[in-house]
Amino acid sequence: EVQLVESGGGLVKPGGSLRLSCAASGFTFSSYSMNWVRQAPGKGLEWVSSISSSSSYIYYADSVKGRFTISRDNAKNSLYLQMNSLRAEDTAVYYCARVGVGGSGAYYYYYMDVWGKGTTVTVSS
Amino acid sequence: QSVLTQPPSVSGAPGQRVTISCTGSSSNIGAGYDVHWYQQLPGTAPKLLIYGNSNRPSGVPDRFSGSKSGTSASLAISGLQAEDEADYYCQSYDSSLSVLYVFGTGTKVTVL
Repeated sequence: EVQLVESGGGLVKPGGSLRLSCAASGFTFSSYSMNWVRQAPGKGLEWVSSISSSSSYIYYADSVKGRFTISRDNAKNSLYLQMNSLRAEDTAVYYCARVGVGGSGAYYYYYMDVWGKGTTVTVSS
Repeated sequence: QSVLTQPPSVSGAPGQRVTISCTGSSSNIGAGYDVHWYQQLPGTAPKLLIYGNSNRPSGVPDRFSGSKSGTSASLAISGLQAEDEADYYCQSYDSSLSVLYVFGTGTKVTVL
């Protein structure tokens, strides 16, 4: 069964740090790009960061650039998100998601075809 | 705020057909970028419902269908069922933003 399991969430003070992990199973992790997506309480979905299969390409939303670092360990089938200088507005459920690819030739499109259950991050004093 | 606008809520009786719009602009949907849809049941993680405008992953009932025209996309749910009560989000790409994935504002579907 294809599965993603996040961990590492918790309560942290403003300015603090937290490292999220996402354990993948049931598919060839090293063949897929991966994303982190978050959802603040009562709000919609927000893309946070992406990493390509070999870590060659990494992207961040402006809201987290310079504070968050995405990484992966293909030998351990794991994805990570190091979060520093946390702010109250970072409070959210954080999901890891596998990237699916469609299209052909000069145009490809990307979506998220497998999601974990999420881990909750609360930033509060 | 998101560049993809959805109605906050839609509702319908069991068995009815409802549609959810996802309105973008010339830098996203109107530029030809594909639209994908996710269903989020209460208290759970999002689930892929439609990809590439109109394709259903295996296991998604054919009651769900997607389409795209101009600067908008739509998700239709026919034969509405109680278990369809959820939040629905569209997603695409925007060439004017430094954002790889843009989500819609989300729509709450209520089954009356």
